[in-house]
Amino acid sequence: GENVEQHPSTLSVQEGDSAVIKCTYSDSASNYFPWYKQELGKRPQLIIDIRSNVGEKKDQRIAVTLNKTAKHFSLHITETQPEDSAVYFCAAISPRGDRDDKIIFGKGTRLHILP
Amino acid sequence: KAGVTQTPRYLIKTRGQQVTLSCSPISGHRSVSWYQQTPGQGLQFLFEYFSETQRNKGNFPGRFSGRQFSNSRSEMNVSTLELGDSALYLCASSLSGAWMNTEAFFGQGTRLTVV
Repeated sequence: GENVEQHPSTLSVQEGDSAVIKCTYSDSASNYFPWYKQELGKRPQLIIDIRSNVGEKKDQRIAVTLNKTAKHFSLHITETQPEDSAVYFCAAISPRGDRDDKIIFGKGTRLHILP
Repeated sequence: KAGVTQTPRYLIKTRGQQVTLSCSPISGHRSVSWYQQTPGQGLQFLFEYFSETQRNKGNFPGRFSGRQFSNSRSEMNVSTLELGDSALYLCASSLSGAWMNTEAFFGQGTRLTVV
């Protein structure tokens, strides 16, 4: 069946450096790719997303790139700060009609920002 | 505007027992989906309800069931609990089930421990 591979599972980065997390999806019908951040003990929250008709999207220190041909997309965090420490999840979403999607999550990346 | 509320926050049950978890979506949201989150498997889709009907179902055994009420509140039930059911159970609500078109919001989860 369809799946989403997310790498790495754990990432340690020096404060101020950049972090990159990659996801590969298998369903060619996927057309929406959100990223969620889950801080310890808190709920996952949407931080950025990208649609299939766009190759890159940026929001301050966070950016997402999409390569539809290769079926992979990446989260880039620049100038990392301690508050970036969290688990990050990617997802690939395929439409199932107007009001329904199929949503598959990656297994998550635990990001540690080292002082 | 109140967020997604899950109750209880924590539960400890013994093997063989059953448990019911509750999710109150954001007012006006009609889609509620449930996920099991474990360190090794990430977020795994359980089922999704829309307008009191189960619309989609993941690959979990029949011990996992759910329902949705006319006010869109949803419950999930796990019968004959096993140690492996220990996890954080998250629900997410959205206006429809199409996350591409309407942002989905997660609750804080119910942490279930089976002993």
